[in-house]
Amino acid sequence: GAVVSQHPSRVICKSGTSVKIECRSLDFQATTMFWYRQFPKQSLMLMATSNEGSKATYEQGVEKDKFLINHASLTLSTLTVTSAHPEDSSFYICSARGGGGREQYFGPGTRLTVT
Amino acid sequence: AQKITQTQPGMFVQEKEAVTLDCTYDTSDQSYGLFWYKQPSSGEMIFLIYQGSYDEQNATEGRYSLNFQKARKSANLVISASQLGDSAMYFCALRNSGYSTLTFGKGTMLLVSP
Repeated sequence: GAVVSQHPSRVICKSGTSVKIECRSLDFQATTMFWYRQFPKQSLMLMATSNEGSKATYEQGVEKDKFLINHASLTLSTLTVTSAHPEDSSFYICSARGGGGREQYFGPGTRLTVT
Repeated sequence: AQKITQTQPGMFVQEKEAVTLDCTYDTSDQSYGLFWYKQPSSGEMIFLIYQGSYDEQNATEGRYSLNFQKARKSANLVISASQLGDSAMYFCALRNSGYSTLTFGKGTMLLVSP
């Protein structure tokens, strides 16, 4: 199967700072990337969908000014959590899908802790 | 709107036995796809099996099979000959037509004992 990487795998940051998470498709061109958030012992909740070269579509209740998504190339999408607060601490997972593809390929996730 | 329901928060099974994880769904689309993912404690989402709404045969992938009952809107995952490494969280997901987003169920935690 196709490989998606995420960096960093873990990050600890102080309240008020911003943190950037990268999602890369390593062996295919990802026309669409998805960002999910998962709290402990809960399901994945879709935050936003991004298509290469266009603005991301955010799910209801997700603050687009707080969670900045950039999908500048067919292999890279970034999620920036701005002015992070402890309640933003969570597991963030990206997935990617190639053009016409059926499957979403998931990255290994990034665990964010805001102190 | 799409909805996925997994009613079993946790399941226990002994090694080498078979186990069925339940999943029911609700969608108004005629064309849709159903996925099962495994999430071990490391957090990665591992794709297990896929069933399309128009597929006539139940999907199988090694020890995994999907018991698809379209009229009942259920897509249960059957794991045969359970192994200790099968202990993980299992999520059922629905994608409607147009290859759009996935809607996940709440998951079932499976524990396999020796």
